[in-house]
Amino acid sequence: EAQVTQNPRYLITVTGKKLTVTCSQNMNHEYMSWYRQDPGLGLRQIYYSMNVEVTDKGDVPEGYKVSRKEKRNFPLILESPSPNQTSLYFCASSPHGPVAGDEQFFGPGTRLTVL
Amino acid sequence: AQTVTQSQPEMSVQEAETVTLSCTYDTSESDYYLFWYKQPPSRQMILVIRQEAYKQQNATENRFSVNFQKAAKSFSLKISDSQLGDAAMYFCAYRSNNNAGNMLTFGGGTRLMVKP
Repeated sequence: EAQVTQNPRYLITVTGKKLTVTCSQNMNHEYMSWYRQDPGLGLRQIYYSMNVEVTDKGDVPEGYKVSRKEKRNFPLILESPSPNQTSLYFCASSPHGPVAGDEQFFGPGTRLTVL
Repeated sequence: AQTVTQSQPEMSVQEAETVTLSCTYDTSESDYYLFWYKQPPSRQMILVIRQEAYKQQNATENRFSVNFQKAAKSFSLKISDSQLGDAAMYFCAYRSNNNAGNMLTFGGGTRLMVKP
């Protein structure tokens, strides 16, 4: 089944404790992206990747890191989480990069709480 | 920068009736796509319908249709014959054809409740 998977689905952590949220897609998509969803703000892009070893900042990159060492994986890293990073996180992928009509396929979301 | 506004935080509709969700956007570009995404309680983001700005004909997908008014920068979603399974958060989104980041810009969402 074609899908985007994220782990963990739920995470409660404390301020300053490094964490990684994994994202994997099995559709051989070139493009992958991370969004965070906050009430009233919709989804905002954190980072994106056009292909292996190619990543760039989105709208709200502060406090996050990403890597794209393999085509299928795009982990989101919070080196020192803070309470304002409490949010719902979505990974998404699409076949190509700057092809606006491509549908982006979303993962199931990760609910992160930073105490 | 582009912005997308959904002015209705919540809407409700009777089952089998029709409801329209509003979306306006601000852009100086002429080449872009607009989308409506549905987010049910499972939190999955599901593409409902998309519209290319160059196409004058409004997109339709079964019970879902849009009213795209390019000059007014308006992109509303009409749901006909509403069903209980339509209850969800609905997000309007914009993506430029000139955006190398392929970023979707989302509105704040509208929560749709369907009454039996």
